[in-house]
Amino acid sequence: ETGVTQTPRHLVMGMTNKKSLKCEQHLGHNAMYWYKQSAKKPLELMFVYSLEERVENNSVPSRFSPECPNSSHLFLHLHTLQPEDSALYLCASSQDRGGRRNEQFFGPGTRLTVL
Amino acid sequence: ILNVEQSPQSLHVQEGDSTNFTCSFPSSNFYALHWYRWETAKSPEALFVMTLNGDEKKKGRISATLNTKEGYSYLYIKGSQPEDSATYLCAFNPSYGQNFVFGPGTRLSVLP
Repeated sequence: ETGVTQTPRHLVMGMTNKKSLKCEQHLGHNAMYWYKQSAKKPLELMFVYSLEERVENNSVPSRFSPECPNSSHLFLHLHTLQPEDSALYLCASSQDRGGRRNEQFFGPGTRLTVL
Repeated sequence: ILNVEQSPQSLHVQEGDSTNFTCSFPSSNFYALHWYRWETAKSPEALFVMTLNGDEKKKGRISATLNTKEGYSYLYIKGSQPEDSATYLCAFNPSYGQNFVFGPGTRLSVLP
């Protein structure tokens, strides 16, 4: 148990659907992250929030929309996705963004399939 | 785009064997390197935080070394056990304010 939870664990959606992924951390951390893990690729950083402000958007298509309403919660809103967006989406948190000793604590991920 | 490499991509060893694998990163700037273990159907978990050239860290049968001047870190597992089977990831950060970049991982399978 890492202290970071994600729901749902599995999601199947059509290309016209709208869905949201939820992440919650109970560690008192100030930074939260969304990563994408595609088959045979390294973890790709999508978004970074520090103190509830978005500080990084790694050229992610606008069909992915993050939201950080408070320091404990992070959402990823999905709409009009493509089949190539099927992947494992991981949420992580760390005490602060940028600290060299601040390892990241990961959630279990949401396995997303886009039909 | 930073290039963080890990080798080998996958590894199969017998229970009791010792093994090691490598994380390579650009040696021009160094801020920190982290090692993570990612077991199937679980979350990645941090193993080691490495910040200084020459760092050696140990946790039970697993240890890691760091050479920032030549741009590599080694992870060693002594007397591998089936429960060590996992993907081992390294994450590199070249300077304060930047994000950690993950390598592709080394997938270790320990056969009983």
